[in-house]
Amino acid sequence: NAGVTQTPKFRILKIGQSMTLQCTQDMNHNYMYWYRQDPGMGLKLIYYSVGAGITDKGEVPNGYNVSRSTTEDFPLRLELAAPSQTSVYFCASSTLAGENGYTFGSGTRLTVV
Amino acid sequence: AQSVTQPDIHITVSEGASLELRCNYSYGATPYLFWYVQSPGQGLQLLLKYFSGDTLVQGIKGFEAEFKRSQSSFNLRKPSVHWSDAAEYFCAVGTGYGGATNKLIFGTGTLLAVQP
Repeated sequence: NAGVTQTPKFRILKIGQSMTLQCTQDMNHNYMYWYRQDPGMGLKLIYYSVGAGITDKGEVPNGYNVSRSTTEDFPLRLELAAPSQTSVYFCASSTLAGENGYTFGSGTRLTVV
Repeated sequence: AQSVTQPDIHITVSEGASLELRCNYSYGATPYLFWYVQSPGQGLQLLLKYFSGDTLVQGIKGFEAEFKRSQSSFNLRKPSVHWSDAAEYFCAVGTGYGGATNKLIFGTGTLLAVQP
């Protein structure tokens, strides 16, 4: 099983550019999440979704947007990239009950210069 | 507000020695607790989880953790560390089942180095 697939793995953006981080899961999970990981800071929740068509803000949503048109896909959009968005981004998914915790993708390392 | 504290940023142990990684949480109700491991350049992998029942839980790779309500702790242990255990370890608390509250709050992580 593929689990949670994130693309790209690495990306360098210039300040002010935009991009979309892709996330796809094949486990039919209702819940999907986007986290960013910064050194010594743990993981911070950006956005999450409880099902197709439903999204909500997490702890650090500013500068990001999401959509959830299907159960499988949960892309994260960065508009007007800033150096503060340099980070490693993880997508994750879980069942409704969350009994098995989250399944994480392998991450996207983004550098904004 | 809910929070998770991992007091040790970095720990070094010798191969074959025992290991204990500390995790303390702040949460008003019975928490759902998790330990994840992250190898360099990889995503996070679930080691073990506690939902209810027996307070000593077993996980993959020979790890175990004990939930102590009186101490608000969920420490991770392994009797004998292998070089392949070198990684970063994250404790997390789940704030509820289902609905909008099914989110995990992560600690800042403990980086484990293993000396030969």
